[in-house]
Amino acid sequence: EPEVTQTPSHQVTQMGQEVILRCVPISNHLYFYWYRQILGQKVEFLVSFYNNEISEKSEIFDDQFSVERPDGSNFTLKIRSTKLEDSAMYFCASSEGPGQQYEQYFGPGTRLTVT
Amino acid sequence: GEDVEQSLFLSVREGDSSVINCTYTDSSSTYLYWYKQEPGAGLQLLTYIFSNMDMKQDQRLTVLLNKKDKHLSLRIADTQTGDSAIYFCAETGGFKTIFGAGTRLFVKA
Repeated sequence: EPEVTQTPSHQVTQMGQEVILRCVPISNHLYFYWYRQILGQKVEFLVSFYNNEISEKSEIFDDQFSVERPDGSNFTLKIRSTKLEDSAMYFCASSEGPGQQYEQYFGPGTRLTVT
Repeated sequence: GEDVEQSLFLSVREGDSSVINCTYTDSSSTYLYWYKQEPGAGLQLLTYIFSNMDMKQDQRLTVLLNKKDKHLSLRIADTQTGDSAIYFCAETGGFKTIFGAGTRLFVKA
């Protein structure tokens, strides 16, 4: 069964450093998402991406964050200057169509630890 | 704004039924979902229900939807120790999925 993959599984970085989290969505999917889950808290929506542009973003997704689909397979989340409070599990998801009518398939997550 | 609320903990004995409840606020939600998260793992979609349905059964899982009260429940029949996990209720509105805080299910042998 096709699945969403994410790398790395765990990333440790120092405060102020840039990180790039990578995702490979399911190949025929057109809509891509990032979510995060701070330890013990809710899974929070960050951003959705379609047709090479952001379709929706939350208030969490400020200027420190950016997303990109650099080639036909990868979907990346960049955090420019990490803060301690960015420590969380980051989940990528993809779907065939818009989230309302199509199942979003989630990757296993990348645990980001900012020290 | 949209919000999804769930109780935080549920403890049941192996073999009993578990019922996890959820309330949501967005009446325009088309699909409502239940996800399972095991320790250190990602989100696994368990089941979903379309908003014009009242009930959906899938093997040991039964989802009940009361659209008037915006209440969703997940019943797990014959709960097993392998069902111990966090269960997230979620709704979609537009491009994003809104999750509840998750209910941690403990299954006692």
